[in-house]
Amino acid sequence: AQSVTQLDSQVPVFEEAPVELRCNYSSSVSVYLFWYVQYPNQGLQLLLKYLSGSTLVESINGFEAEFNKSQTSFHLRKPSVHISDTAEYFCAVSFMNRDDKIIFGKGTRLHILP
Amino acid sequence: KAGVTQTPRYLIKTRGQQVTLSCSPISGHRSVSWYQQTPGQGLQFLFEYFSETQRNKGNFPGRFSGRQFSNSRSEMNVSTLELGDSALYLCASSSGLAGEDTQYFGPGTRLTVL
Repeated sequence: AQSVTQLDSQVPVFEEAPVELRCNYSSSVSVYLFWYVQYPNQGLQLLLKYLSGSTLVESINGFEAEFNKSQTSFHLRKPSVHISDTAEYFCAVSFMNRDDKIIFGKGTRLHILP
Repeated sequence: KAGVTQTPRYLIKTRGQQVTLSCSPISGHRSVSWYQQTPGQGLQFLFEYFSETQRNKGNFPGRFSGRQFSNSRSEMNVSTLELGDSALYLCASSSGLAGEDTQYFGPGTRLTVL
């Protein structure tokens, strides 16, 4: 069965420290991968995506994610977080089969500690 | 460009009633997807419409239905409301197919079923 797992519902991290938000999926077909972010009192917006090509993708605000096909993962990383990164982060996977559904993980809330 | 708009923003209904939610996509976008967001289940895919055709559907009962008009505006209908239908309903539009393209989310309609 196809599924998306974000193991951590909450991640506290000190400002300027590195962070990794984990995303794993289960699939027997090809996938497209997305990270969406929801800042406080704002709607969901795309952070970055992998469709093809280089397995390492970057966002404009310093986040990066690497598609690891063998481990079926798409973890999100940032080397140094800022208070403005406080948000909920959602991993989403689009499964390239006839159903062509997109499944979201349950989200990881990132808390930046001063 | 105006973003995705959803009306109404808040709705209170009683069990057994039906409800219709509306979504206006970004101008030029042909795909509209609907999601249900709850604290326990996270973001769950309802269905996607592309050029007035339903492309796929999530694992929701037949009480949940939708349609898309020629101007890409979409409506979602829930009949015979149940308490468990209380949720934030999000609409997202994209230029191409939702699974392959960036989705732009609206602010949502918060439905409360009493």
